[in-house]
Formats: sequence, C-alpha cells, structure tokens
Amino acid sequence: KAGVTQTPRYLIKTRGQQVTLSCSPISGHRSVSWYQQTPGQGLQFLFEYFSETQRNKGNFPGRFSGRQFSNSRSEMNVSTLELGDSALYLCASSLNGRGSGNTIYFGEGSWLTVV
Amino acid sequence: QQQVKQSPQSLIVQKGGISIINCAYENTAFDYFPWYQQFPGKGPALLIAIRPDVSEKKEGRFTISFNKSAKQFSLHIMDSQPGDSATYFCAASIIGNEKLTFGTGTRLTIIP
Repeated sequence: KAGVTQTPRYLIKTRGQQVTLSCSPISGHRSVSWYQQTPGQGLQFLFEYFSETQRNKGNFPGRFSGRQFSNSRSEMNVSTLELGDSALYLCASSLNGRGSGNTIYFGEGSWLTVV
Repeated sequence: QQQVKQSPQSLIVQKGGISIINCAYENTAFDYFPWYQQFPGKGPALLIAIRPDVSEKKEGRFTISFNKSAKQFSLHIMDSQPGDSATYFCAASIIGNEKLTFGTGTRLTIIP
C-alpha cells in the first residue's frame, strides 16, 4: 500500500513568485492536512480538508491556500513568496478525519527554498 | 501561544540506556497524545499514542507515561539503540479535530 506521496520533493523559487505543492493521500483516506516545518517554528498546522471542504485552518496569512479534489488528492498554494516561507511542507492523511485516535500518516514533504 | 512544551531540546544517551523525553500541555480539551519519530529527510512517523483514560501505554521498548492532573506526558525508550537516533515530537489533539499541535522536538543521539 503506497504511503502519502508529495510532489515535488525539492524546489527553489524566487521571492514574489507563487508555488503549488501536490499531495496524494493513502488510498481510501479522505482527510488531508498540511503542515509547515521550520527549524525556528517547528511543525505548524496549515489547514485540513475533508471531502473537498476545508474544515480547519491554522494561523497563517491568506497567501497560503489549499484545495482538495474529489479523489482526495490535495494541493496547497503559496502566493507572493517571502524568504520566510522557506520550509519543509508536509502533507498528512487519515482515514475518515473523525478525530483523535485516527492515525495520521505523513508524507516525506516538499522542501521549498525561497531566494 | 505554545500549547505543548517539550524538553529537553537535545539528548545524548548511551546504548542500552533509557531515553526520557517530557511534554507538558496547557489545553485541557486535548484528549489524544501521539509521539512521532522523524529521521533526516523523512516525514514524521507515528511511534505510539495514548488517551487520557490510561496512565501508561507500552509498545515494545517504547512507553508513554501520562499524568492528567499535572498535564504532562513522557516518552521512555528502554534499551536505547543507535537506530533510535532521530528527532522525536510529542503532539496533542482534540476529538473531532484532525489538527495536531506539536512540541518543539527533541534530537536524540544514542552513542555506542
């Protein structure tokens, strides 16, 4: 059974550009969450989608957005990139998104460098 | 606001010893407490998790101890091995909410 797949794995963007990251959850999983990981701030929750609807959102500016498709695949977009957006972006999926005890599986992440 | 505090930031333990990582939380609504292990270049992987209705959970060499009144929980790694060298994150969440609030991480190094 394939795990959570994220593409691209590495990318370099210029300040002011935008970027789209893609995530394919584990087959059958309907909940997809995104996290940002940086050395300074650690792992921070961005947002969660379930059945194409955003159910929860973290404390990030509106430049960070996401969506989920009918096949549960998800994308996140960051517009007007800033140097501080350089981070590892992690996608996670779970079976039915119905809360605690529902094991959340992480992908290997997309490394974004903004120059 | 940091809702889950983790210590120590780094830890060096000799092979065969016990590694202990501690976490404290503030939000009493949290009711699910997982620990994740992350190796360089990889995403976090669930190691073990506990709910507040039990005070301890053991899986192999890994044990979570939970103190609800103190709002603290800890990870114990018995007979620590070099392959356990990784960064460990505690986390917490609330039933009905997929959002995980993570601690700041502990870099564990097991030396021969």
